[in-house]
Amino acid sequence: KAGVTQTPRYLIKTRGQQVTLSCSPISGHRSVSWYQQTPGQGLQFLFEYFSETQRNKGNFPGRFSGRQFSNSRSEMNVSTLELGDSALYLCASRIGQGHTGELFFGEGSRLTVL
Amino acid sequence: AQSVTQPDIHITVSEGASLELRCNYSYGATPYLFWYVQSPGQGLQLLLKYFSGDTLVQGIKGFEAEFKRSQSSFNLRKPSVHWSDAAEYFCAVGANNAGNMLTFGGGTRLMVKP
Repeated sequence: KAGVTQTPRYLIKTRGQQVTLSCSPISGHRSVSWYQQTPGQGLQFLFEYFSETQRNKGNFPGRFSGRQFSNSRSEMNVSTLELGDSALYLCASRIGQGHTGELFFGEGSRLTVL
Repeated sequence: AQSVTQPDIHITVSEGASLELRCNYSYGATPYLFWYVQSPGQGLQLLLKYFSGDTLVQGIKGFEAEFKRSQSSFNLRKPSVHWSDAAEYFCAVGANNAGNMLTFGGGTRLMVKP
């Protein structure tokens, strides 16, 4: 079956713009989480959604937001982009909450902010 | 708050040699521990995980890891490295009440010499 699909794979924005990234989880997976990966800060947790509700949130400013739809697809949005937002944004899905099921990662959306 | 340290940023081994990647964690309770691998341009793939029970955990691709509570370590090992193992390896810790919120180490980049 298809894995976690993230779109777009690559995008370039300028400072002050906003961006929306999309994630389609594996069919049947209801939990979606987002991570930011940068050379300086490494992998950092952004937020997690389950059944259209945000369950956990990492330590990121309010410019970072997300949502989950009834079909479990998720989007994240970053407003007023800054140079430091340049990163690989990874989406991951799991069947449910908790750690018993494997967390499957997509290939990421690479955002460059100029 | 939990934290993960991977002391080795880069490691180079010869093909066929044994491998050990170090991981130290800090967490007040019994941790959930994971090792992930990331190939260039790819997302993360789970190699193995530890929740409880046997402290020696077997994973995919011939990897294993040993949980040592007294040393707060969860080192990854492989008896004979293949050229295809060249990638970046991440150790991560999760909490029971934190869903998909994993704290990752900084990663170890493995290079394999022919």
